[in-house]
Amino acid sequence: QQPVQSPQAVILREGEDAVINCSSSKALYSVHWYRQKHGEAPVFLMILLKGGEQKGHEKISASFNEKKQQSSLYLTASQLSYSGTYFCGTEIGDSWGKLQFGAGTQVVVTP
Amino acid sequence: GAGVSQSPSNKVTEKGKDVELRCDPISGHTALYWYRQSLGQGLEFLIYFQGNSAPDKSGLPSDRFSAERTGGSVSTLTIQRTQQEDSAVYLCASTNRGGQGRNIQYFGAGTRLSVL
Repeated sequence: QQPVQSPQAVILREGEDAVINCSSSKALYSVHWYRQKHGEAPVFLMILLKGGEQKGHEKISASFNEKKQQSSLYLTASQLSYSGTYFCGTEIGDSWGKLQFGAGTQVVVTP
Repeated sequence: GAGVSQSPSNKVTEKGKDVELRCDPISGHTALYWYRQSLGQGLEFLIYFQGNSAPDKSGLPSDRFSAERTGGSVSTLTIQRTQQEDSAVYLCASTNRGGQGRNIQYFGAGTRLSVL
């Protein structure tokens, strides 16, 4: 039931763009995105509910394709502060709001 | 409190000993989740509380693991007869409603457990 994230890791130069994908084999109610820096708590970025909505957080945006049960996170004009591990958490129906997290995508932004 | 608080931040124990990990959620948050994060891995769901009840314990790895929540607030995760494979970071998250919907989970910094 764990969603699959890709890529596992990405190295960017400041200002470059990247896309992180999150796919599930289950019908999803929502997708949550978090970023975790080393040794710190995961920090919430955004929630997307079924319906194909798109959200944004600074220059980080995301989409949710309900038909494909897939969400994508877009890092635009990356900044050094974007470095960290990004996790998607997927929620299926009747799951008490429980999230199944992907293995994470490590993002390194270099000067 | 201002955020989710977990204690201790680090715990080193010997194989076979029992440990207790504590989570103090954000004041007023009714739902509380425990996750486990092994080195370089994602977050593995352990148990969910709504108030003092645990409707979903499906993620607890074995009967050595148990958790309780009292007063709808503080939760304790207990691991009995610890094994080396229990070594991980244990994260707690709380949210103000629980169930389906726009329930942002706020995480604590975790307890890093090392079993020697």
